[in-house]
Amino acid sequence: DIQMTQSPSSLSASVGDRVTLTCRASQSIRSYLNWYQQKPGKAPKLLIYGASSLQSGVPSRFSGSGSGTDFTLTISSLQPEDSATYYCQQSYSTLTFGGGTKVEIK
Amino acid sequence: QVLLQESGPGLLKPSQTLSLTCAVSGGSIRSGAYYWGWIRQHPGKGLEWIGYIYYSGSTYYNPSLKSRVTISIDTSKNQFSLKLSSVTAADTAVYYCARDLGTPRDGYNFRYFDYWGQGTLVTVSS
Repeated sequence: DIQMTQSPSSLSASVGDRVTLTCRASQSIRSYLNWYQQKPGKAPKLLIYGASSLQSGVPSRFSGSGSGTDFTLTISSLQPEDSATYYCQQSYSTLTFGGGTKVEIK
Repeated sequence: QVLLQESGPGLLKPSQTLSLTCAVSGGSIRSGAYYWGWIRQHPGKGLEWIGYIYYSGSTYYNPSLKSRVTISIDTSKNQFSLKLSSVTAADTAVYYCARDLGTPRDGYNFRYFDYWGQGTLVTVSS
């Protein structure tokens, strides 16, 4: 299986900050990388697919980049409602998810 | 608006078979554009893909669970189901059903889960 490693495991930032989350694959997955946001007690919500395509209805402050093994999710201006855990997921082979990054608001 | 709703027993004893159903509304499960999947999340942990099914009945399972998993589809009821045999406490988790969509871009077909059910907690305890 392809292992997905996310860093940091958690972070705390202020409203308006630019926040960058990282996801690394154990082997190349080209651009087969998705990002999800999950709030407590809720199902994950798709943010980004294909490493950089913004899902319809998702605010433009979210963006994704990367290819191969290294990927980033950037929140350009952190908002209070962005407090959540973010997961990356590869769809190159047997689907696997990263361990998540918990984002808290200072 | 597509809605997915999981249903099934919330409490099982070890060695029993977990059975869950996902009812789909707002769209046809027969559409060839989608796969229909199951994902679980152990308490306080990350996400684990269990498997998915195509409307034709073709199935794809996580190798780590393949020996115990069966996913089936009932197009007449617009629903699909999960069976996981010989459960143990390690199978205690929130189980989600989800729709898997493929979108072509740059010569690739990117797949992702765009709609999810709200999840159902299944506890395995004697």
